[in-house]
Amino acid sequence: GQQLNQSPQSMFIQEGEDVSMNCTSSSIFNTWLWYKQDPGEGPVLLIALYKAGELTSNGRLTAQFGITRKDSFLNISASIPSDVGIYFCEGKLIFGQGTELSVKP
Amino acid sequence: ETGVTQTPRHLVMGMTNKKSLKCEQHLGHNAMYWYKQSAKKPLELMFVYSLEERVENNSVPSRFSPECPNSSHLFLHLHTLQPEDSALYLCASSQDWQGAIGYTFGSGTRLTVV
Repeated sequence: GQQLNQSPQSMFIQEGEDVSMNCTSSSIFNTWLWYKQDPGEGPVLLIALYKAGELTSNGRLTAQFGITRKDSFLNISASIPSDVGIYFCEGKLIFGQGTELSVKP
Repeated sequence: ETGVTQTPRHLVMGMTNKKSLKCEQHLGHNAMYWYKQSAKKPLELMFVYSLEERVENNSVPSRFSPECPNSSHLFLHLHTLQPEDSALYLCASSQDWQGAIGYTFGSGTRLTVV
């Protein structure tokens, strides 16, 4: 079946650093969605992308829909402790494996 | 209030028990979903309902039985589960069943099968 390959699997960073994670697929997607999951909760939608090449921001978050429509990345600038959690990409009802982010104050 | 409410939050059941998970959405969405989230694995889609009709069933064992009596409520009936079924079960809803504008998730039911 289709898979979304998300990397890195985990990141340990210092508060204030920028973060980048990405998702790739062997097939074309028409939408890319990024979610964040806090411990003990369900994922929450952060950003939705609908067009190849689209670059969208939501506060300190920026996401891009790759030109080939087979990849997407999510950047977080100036990380803070509440950014801790697991970030997932999603398309066509399929979720990536997640990137677990830890932020050291 | 997330708009999608799941009960119970935690459930411990024996392998011979029968239990049900409940999900309710207050968003007026037309589609509802069950996902399974196991440790170190991506979210696995189990079932999709659109306007109370099942549109997707991802080869889920028959010991999991979904029910969607109306567009606001979704149940997952459980019987004779196995320990490997222990996981976080997440319910979600979306405006349409393709989820093009994203899902709203509940907080999940943490299930432990003993």
